[in-house]
Amino acid sequence: GQSLEQPSEVTAVEGAIVQINCTYQTSGFYGLSWYQQHDGGAPTFLSYNALDGLEETGRFSSFLSRSDSYGYLLLQELQMKDSASYFCAVRDNYGQNFVFGPGTRLSVLP
Amino acid sequence: NAGVTQTPKFRVLKTGQSMTLLCAQDMNHEYMYWYRQDPGMGLRLIHYSVGEGTTAKGEVPDGYNVSRLKKQNFLLGLESAAPSQTSVYFCASRGPGLLAAYEQYFGPGTRLTVT
Repeated sequence: GQSLEQPSEVTAVEGAIVQINCTYQTSGFYGLSWYQQHDGGAPTFLSYNALDGLEETGRFSSFLSRSDSYGYLLLQELQMKDSASYFCAVRDNYGQNFVFGPGTRLSVLP
Repeated sequence: NAGVTQTPKFRVLKTGQSMTLLCAQDMNHEYMYWYRQDPGMGLRLIHYSVGEGTTAKGEVPDGYNVSRLKKQNFLLGLESAAPSQTSVYFCASRGPGLLAAYEQYFGPGTRLTVT
């Protein structure tokens, strides 16, 4: 089976940089992805890593180290609208489906 | 292009009643998923489908059934609702290909309360 761990809450101020960590235990690994979910809304895809290293998408970057079973999401130039929950997810079952982490609630303060 | 739609958006059931949640996607995606999300928690996979006419169990399948008779539709059934099934239900889909293997498109969710 798979299990993922994330911090439950993170708080930062507008304009700052924040890192949300994700560690995982898997029987097989097919990549790590990140989703954002605003209160009352649906999850939306942000980024993914299939291989080690950093992937950059605008203000968001995601990092993966397969040897450490670890990844993170980096959010730069934080804005109030970034206040949301962030979930990491690994692909499971030969890549057919996904297991989500418990989520990290990010609060951006003015 | 509506993406992924879910019907209904809200529903209140009494214990023992049955209902069907409908998910529809217009992106010609092969893979479709049903998740439930309880307060303050992540998404847990109920059932999924890798193509028309196929279904498989996820992490928490008990008390639910699914059908994928048409590629664009994925139905989730509750035969005899229980208060433990009070949750927000999300449907998602994805296509083939490298990026699509990681990017799921989610519907807006169905908020179900079982009293």
